[in-house]
Amino acid sequence: GQQLNQSPQSMFIQEGEDVSMNCTSSSIFNTWLWYKQEPGEGPVLLIALYKAGELTSNGRLTAQFGITRKDSFLNISASIPSDVGIYFCAGRFGSSNTGKLIFGQGTTLQVKP
Amino acid sequence: EAGVTQFPSHSVIEKGQTVTLRCDPISGHDNLYWYRRVMGKEIKFLLHFVKESKQDESGMPNNRFLAERTGGTYSTLKVQPAELEDSGVYFCASSQDLIDNTATQGYGVGSDLYTQYFGPGTRLTVL
Repeated sequence: GQQLNQSPQSMFIQEGEDVSMNCTSSSIFNTWLWYKQEPGEGPVLLIALYKAGELTSNGRLTAQFGITRKDSFLNISASIPSDVGIYFCAGRFGSSNTGKLIFGQGTTLQVKP
Repeated sequence: EAGVTQFPSHSVIEKGQTVTLRCDPISGHDNLYWYRRVMGKEIKFLLHFVKESKQDESGMPNNRFLAERTGGTYSTLKVQPAELEDSGVYFCASSQDLIDNTATQGYGVGSDLYTQYFGPGTRLTVL
């Protein structure tokens, strides 16, 4: 079935360091999304990308929609302890924006103060 | 405005028993989704309601799972009988239903018009 390969699986970094994670797929997506999940909560949308090549920032977060539409990356600059959580990439097919999301396996981020 | 709520937050049952999970979407959201995450793996789609109708149930694992959304408001997901492999976190999400669903440009960043807002999940453990 449809699958997103997300890497790395986990990261343990020092506060202040930059972080990069990415997702790849054998399928083409029309939308790429990045979510963050904190303990006891559901995933929360961080960034949505709609066009191939699009580069979008949200504060210290930057994400790109790959030119081939089969990949995306998320960068976090100058990490802080509250960045801790699980980051998921997600893709959506088709022209409808209310369809199901396909998620990656998640990247668990831990930040050492 | 209240977010998506789910009940219970945790459920521990024995194999063969029945469990019913409930989701209350954000008021006014016609789209309601169920997802499941088995430990350490990806969040997997189960099904999608538009109001009270099942739009897409391609992710439902088997006929032991029954989802309903009577009246197009809250939804329930019943597992009967539960098996060990049903353990995991069950998420519910909801989103708006816009008149023009074919638009390909949203607002980007963290305020997507079509954002699926997730509940905190129900952690189901089948022993």
